[in-house]
Amino acid sequence: LAKTTQPISMDSYEGQEVNITCSHNNIATNDYITWYQQFPSQGPRFIIQGYKTKVTNEVASLFIPADRKSSTLSLPRVSLSDTAVYYCLVGPLTNMLTFGGGTRLMVKP
Amino acid sequence: EAGVAQSPRYKIIEKRQSVAFWCNPISGHATLYWYQQILGQGPKLLIQFQNNGVVDDSQLPKDRFSAERLKGVDSTLKIQPAKLEDSAVYLCASSKQESKKLFFGSGTQLSVL
Repeated sequence: LAKTTQPISMDSYEGQEVNITCSHNNIATNDYITWYQQFPSQGPRFIIQGYKTKVTNEVASLFIPADRKSSTLSLPRVSLSDTAVYYCLVGPLTNMLTFGGGTRLMVKP
Repeated sequence: EAGVAQSPRYKIIEKRQSVAFWCNPISGHATLYWYQQILGQGPKLLIQFQNNGVVDDSQLPKDRFSAERLKGVDSTLKIQPAKLEDSAVYLCASSKQESKKLFFGSGTQLSVL
């Protein structure tokens, strides 16, 4: 399975756009990229998933360059409630189950 | 749509005691997962069920941990005997067969004293 590297923590302010990058240099051809969000005392929650280029939903956007060796989760206009840990997972659709340490995002007023 | 249900929410036991956690997945989800999350770390997969069969239990400490999923619905995870290092949150998740998305419960926070 592809190893992922994310920043341990990030700080932002309300209303700003936040971009969290995940490196996955040994991503395989059949691997997808998935991001989860976890609030304290809750289980992780699926945010977005993609294979290449750009994916957008009501919560976030996911940017994947052509070489697919990294990906960027973009959260537009964050609020205090976006303070959470964000996990990047890489793997085939039937085996995308390994979580790394995640990125702790702190949104300040 | 009801989410993944877990109980109890919290459990405190002494080392060498036994403990069991229960999980009820989302209706219709064939795949069920148990994760262990130690404070400050990401969740670690312990076991994966497809219906009532085990798909992957390679990271389950089988000398003390056991899990079952009778009738392919509810599941229980047991620890016997517990050690101090088992203190963690135990998360249950479910997904449709070969789904791209996991749905997690709120977890059971275990403290072993």
